[in-house]
Amino acid sequence: EDKVVQSPLSLVVHEGDTVTLNCSYEVTNFRSLLWYKQEKKAPTFLFMLTSSGIEKKSGRLSSILDKKELFSILNITATQTGDSAIYLCAVGGWGDDKIIFGKGTRLHILP
Amino acid sequence: ETGVTQTPRHLVMGMTNKKSLKCEQHLGHNAMYWYKQSAKKPLELMFVYNFKEQTENNSVPSRFSPECPNSSHLFLHLHTLQPEDSALYLCASSHGTGLADNEQFFGPGTRLTVL
Repeated sequence: EDKVVQSPLSLVVHEGDTVTLNCSYEVTNFRSLLWYKQEKKAPTFLFMLTSSGIEKKSGRLSSILDKKELFSILNITATQTGDSAIYLCAVGGWGDDKIIFGKGTRLHILP
Repeated sequence: ETGVTQTPRHLVMGMTNKKSLKCEQHLGHNAMYWYKQSAKKPLELMFVYNFKEQTENNSVPSRFSPECPNSSHLFLHLHTLQPEDSALYLCASSHGTGLADNEQFFGPGTRLTVL
């Protein structure tokens, strides 16, 4: 059965800390892994990863995929209170219109 | 603002009611989706529409009935729901078809409570 597992489920850190969020997956016909940030209601897109070992960066956020070990990490450096959100990992497969989401990591940044 | 709007934002209904959720995207996208987000559960894909045609129905009970009259509008018709259907219902759209290849733009959701 396909599954996406995120860890930790919840994380509290202080402003300025660096955090690493994990996403592991078992999905047949893997095509891509996507990260979203959900602050209040609407998730917003962060990254799409399809190739192993190529880091994607956007400001203080970065992500990388390991297709051999079947996981991805999302790094946030110099965290700010505005980074508080639920971070969702999703994996899409080839062929059929399939996408599997993890339960998310709830990140809270203390001022 | 993501360019995807949903109405109503909150809805409380009884199990015998019939109601509809509406989604509209102003982005010129070709694909639209309905998701269900329950507490402590992953986001679940319910329906996929590509160019107004339904291409995916992830074993959703028939008490949920989608409708896509054109590529900008998507409805979810609800009837005889159960309390366990209470959740946040999110609509999304993408420019291209293919969930694995396209960034999705999500609406703010409708918080549904079934009494």
